[in-house]
Amino acid sequence: EDQVTQSPEALRLQEGESSSLNCSYTVSGLRGLFWYRQDPGKGPEFLFTLYSAGEEKEKERLKATLTKKESFLHITAPKPEDSATYLCAVPMYSGGGADGLTFGKGTHLIIQP
Amino acid sequence: GAGVSQSPRYKVAKRGQDVALRCDPISGHVSLFWYQQALGQGPEFLTYFQNEAQLDKSGLPSDRFFAERPEGSVSTLKIQRTQQEDSAVYLCASSLGRGNTEAFFGQGTRLTVV
Repeated sequence: EDQVTQSPEALRLQEGESSSLNCSYTVSGLRGLFWYRQDPGKGPEFLFTLYSAGEEKEKERLKATLTKKESFLHITAPKPEDSATYLCAVPMYSGGGADGLTFGKGTHLIIQP
Repeated sequence: GAGVSQSPRYKVAKRGQDVALRCDPISGHVSLFWYQQALGQGPEFLTYFQNEAQLDKSGLPSDRFFAERPEGSVSTLKIQRTQQEDSAVYLCASSLGRGNTEAFFGQGTRLTVV
């Protein structure tokens, strides 16, 4: 069974203090690793998809990287507006192909001014 | 609007009551997903439609849960005889292509069963 584990569960940083969030996964065959951001009371917002080990993608202060067993979401010089829950997910396998996503529990990130 | 729209935003149901949750996906999106999100947890997959065909319903927790997308656009998730453990946020997502291309989520419907 595919598994996704995120750490830490919660992280509190000062504004400008860079850090990384971890997503480790166990899948039978990776068909993508997805990162989402979720604000309170809202649905997840798509950030990145990574498909192969060594791949990196960037968006503003965020950079996602992928190895064969885990992905990191690096946050450089964060601002208070980066506060959110960050979710990672992998595609589920089904007979019809990759359909839904298996999500981790998320990392709740708080950036203090 | 251009995004995924869900209604109602909030629903309070008495135990045993039937409820229907609506999802309006982005126009032209082929794929539609339903997820259930408990407090403090990540979303959990319920079911997947490709156009009007329900290709995967493996995540539906019981036969009290039923989903449909009869014309390949709007979808309804119905829960019969609601129970307290059904209390959660129900999220709908759609994507342009088949399966796991970039999916856009709605804001969800928060269901509280009392």
